[in-house]
This record gives sequence, structure tokens and C-alpha cells, in this order.
Amino acid sequence: SQQGEEDPQALSIQEGENATMNCSYKTSINNLQWYRQNSGRGLVHLILIRSNEREKHSGRLRVTLDTSKKSSSLLITASRAADTASYFCATDRAGANNLFFGTGTRLTVIP
Amino acid sequence: NAGVTQTPKFRVLKTGQSMTLLCAQDMNHEYMYWYRQDPGMGLRLIHYSVGEGTTAKGEVPDGYNVSRLKKQNFLLGLESAAPSQTSVYFCASSDGGEFYGYTFGSGTRLTVV
Repeated sequence: SQQGEEDPQALSIQEGENATMNCSYKTSINNLQWYRQNSGRGLVHLILIRSNEREKHSGRLRVTLDTSKKSSSLLITASRAADTASYFCATDRAGANNLFFGTGTRLTVIP
Repeated sequence: NAGVTQTPKFRVLKTGQSMTLLCAQDMNHEYMYWYRQDPGMGLRLIHYSVGEGTTAKGEVPDGYNVSRLKKQNFLLGLESAAPSQTSVYFCASSDGGEFYGYTFGSGTRLTVV
């Protein structure tokens, strides 16, 4: 059973546009994390937002968290072709020893 | 500065054969994990370890065994491979802290025929 569900499943945009992907989850969390996976590679940690935080920035990434709605969003600004990848949210559920990953959003940035 | 290393990268097994996947990390992390990734299913946790000599079951442990004899290594075994175990396997490690992410290996693509 997946803890996080990303939306949309796939997203295609032009280079320079912003990309927004969403994640919904079901139970109380300690933190929520976003990962990127390039085709055929392992996942790479992008950013972590704690349950008591509402927004966090890292370079071109902006993450928001709404614990009342059990949802998060990842915004990539001024996208580049190199941002083409799958993006996964992962939740650190209270009382658990591991992360629960969603099914991912496949982002394609067209040059 | 290798991070997490998985071997082998690719393997084809016949149904009923056995094999061991090796994961090694050089970051002195306490926690290690084995996930499998299947199309449309995301990552599902097979087994994990919170320290040397410890192991625990995850979401999909059936058909797999693990061992963590040394802190830096986490082995995943398939005793009798089945076609349903065709997948990409990822190992990850973390220091167990609440506010740190995982470091993943590059994966092992396993096909069982």
C-alpha cells in the first residue's frame, strides 16, 4: 500500500516553463521528501520538508506542505531539458522506520 | 566517495535458481533498505535493517531473505527465484535521523525466466 500518490502521472512542458507536481498521503508524518530518478538510475534526494514547515526552497525547487489536507507540491521553476526525470514523494510516517514512496510523476521537458 | 554500491547491475535467472544481491555503503549509515521497483507500483520495501546484526520485514518480504553481518553491507537473497520477482532492486541507506534523506544505489535489474 503506497503512502503517497503523485499527480499527475505524467507531465510534458516546454523548456523555461514551470512544472508543478502534487503528492497526497494518508497518515501523520514526521517529514515529506522529494526524490528525482533519471531513466535507469537510482533515486536522488532533492529536498525534505518537516511536518511543522509550510514551504521550503532549494535553488529552482519550491516545496509546500499542507498537513491539514495531507498534501504537498513540488514546483520546479524555469525548467530545463536536464530536469526530465521521474519525481517521487516519500513520507516519513510517524512510528515507522522507513520511507513510503508514491508512484511518481514522469516529467518531460521539451527543448 | 562511492556512496551506495550495488552488485551485480544486471542478472538473468532461471526459475528456481538462487542468487544474492550485494549492497555496500561507505557512509557509516546505521539504516539500510531493500526496495523493488515495478512499473506503476512505485517503490515497495522488501526488508530493512536498523543496525548491524538486525533485520526486519517490509511490505513485500515473501521469497526474500536478508543479512546484515557487517554495518557496511546488506545482502538480499532469493532462494528460489520466480518470474514474479522480475524487477529492479534498489538498496538505500540513511543515518536514521529524522531529517535526512536516503542515499540510493544505482539498482540491479533482475529478470527471472
